[in-house]
Amino acid sequence: SQQGEEDPQALSIQEGENATMNCSYKTSINNLQWYRQNSGRGLVHLILIRSNEREKHSGRLRVTLDTSKKSSSLLITASRAADTASYFCAPVLSGAGSYQLTFGKGTKLSVIP
Amino acid sequence: NAGVTQTPKFRVLKTGQSMTLLCAQDMNHEYMYWYRQDPGMGLRLIHYSVGEGTTAKGEVPDGYNVSRLKKQNFLLGLESAAPSQTSVYFCASRPSTGEGYGYTFGSGTRLTVV
Repeated sequence: SQQGEEDPQALSIQEGENATMNCSYKTSINNLQWYRQNSGRGLVHLILIRSNEREKHSGRLRVTLDTSKKSSSLLITASRAADTASYFCAPVLSGAGSYQLTFGKGTKLSVIP
Repeated sequence: NAGVTQTPKFRVLKTGQSMTLLCAQDMNHEYMYWYRQDPGMGLRLIHYSVGEGTTAKGEVPDGYNVSRLKKQNFLLGLESAAPSQTSVYFCASRPSTGEGYGYTFGSGTRLTVV
């Protein structure tokens, strides 16, 4: 298993703006997953991008993956106050390494109405 | 379809007391996990299980024990609670087939050890 590192640690934007957060990791992966955590709640799986994919969309979410740079980004377009949460990336190894999912400290996003 | 259910949701323990946290999932998932989350530390893996009757250590296993006697349940035990175990505990599960599946998390158990 390995841990992703999210950047920035905190991000504050106005409602309607786009929010971009980044993730870096260290070794080869099978896929990379993004999760959201609202205050006081459990994590919710948002999107998964496989190592052979470069970009993936889901509603207002756009995820990119650059395996040569070992990095990923999550873009939330037209943000809403309800998007206020912490966001975590989780790189997933292949084989036995996929048994464990580890998380960094996350990016805390605040969307101001 | 309840997903992953954790009980209790809140608990206050005195130092040295013991307790068991219960995680139950109704999705027939093979893999189950226990994490703890402390302020500014992200989530850290305590123990996990890849099937009924199996358990393995994660990143921070000391002071905890686990059991997976039934596929749908994963128990986390604290034999002698310490203030350092004050945290929010999350259980998660996922299917076993392949790596391309997201985890389903419970809503957490907030534990305070005084």
